[in-house]
Amino acid sequence: EAGVTQFPSHSVIEKGQTVTLRCDPISGHDNLYWYRRVMGKEIKFLLHFVKESKQDESGMPNNRFLAERTGGTYSTLKVQPAELEDSGVYFCASSQDLRVQSHEQYFGPGTRLTVT
Amino acid sequence: AQSVTQLGSHVSVSEGALVLLRCNYSSSVPPYLFWYVQYPNQGLQLLLKYTTGATLVKGINGFEAEFKKSETSFHLTKPSAHMSDAAEYFCAVSRGGATNKLIFGTGTLLAVQP
Repeated sequence: EAGVTQFPSHSVIEKGQTVTLRCDPISGHDNLYWYRRVMGKEIKFLLHFVKESKQDESGMPNNRFLAERTGGTYSTLKVQPAELEDSGVYFCASSQDLRVQSHEQYFGPGTRLTVT
Repeated sequence: AQSVTQLGSHVSVSEGALVLLRCNYSSSVPPYLFWYVQYPNQGLQLLLKYTTGATLVKGINGFEAEFKKSETSFHLTKPSAHMSDAAEYFCAVSRGGATNKLIFGTGTLLAVQP
């Protein structure tokens, strides 16, 4: 079974440009999460999809960030326009139906975003 | 609000020595607790978790952790460190429910000296 995949693995962009990150969850996982780790700090929750619906987007920093999950499969996270403080590692995670109560989230390898 | 504190951003042990990584949490309700590990150039991998039941939880690679409610702690231990244990370790908590989002500590980088 394939794990969570993320693309690209690295992205270097200039301030003001747009970047789109992609996450492909484990097949059959309804729940998809985005997290971010800014250098030297903790990994922070950004948002949570259940299928194609946003369940919780309380962690999104501002309206420059837009996440979508059309069709309830893969998800994209767009940053437009990018700022220096957006640099960090963006992780995606997925999990089964929460009623299963396994509570385990499976993480992808992350996308390292550098804004110069 | 929930929070997680990991004491020691860097921990160094000798090969064969005990590994002890500390994690304390604050939560107004009984939490679900996790330890994740990130090896160099890889994603986060679940080491172990506590949801309900036995408070001593065994994970992969010989690690275990004990949930101590009275101390609000979930420290990670391994009796004998191996060189391959060198990695960054993250403690996390969630409340389950509709979101089940994880709240992470700042991570502990474990170095294992030969």
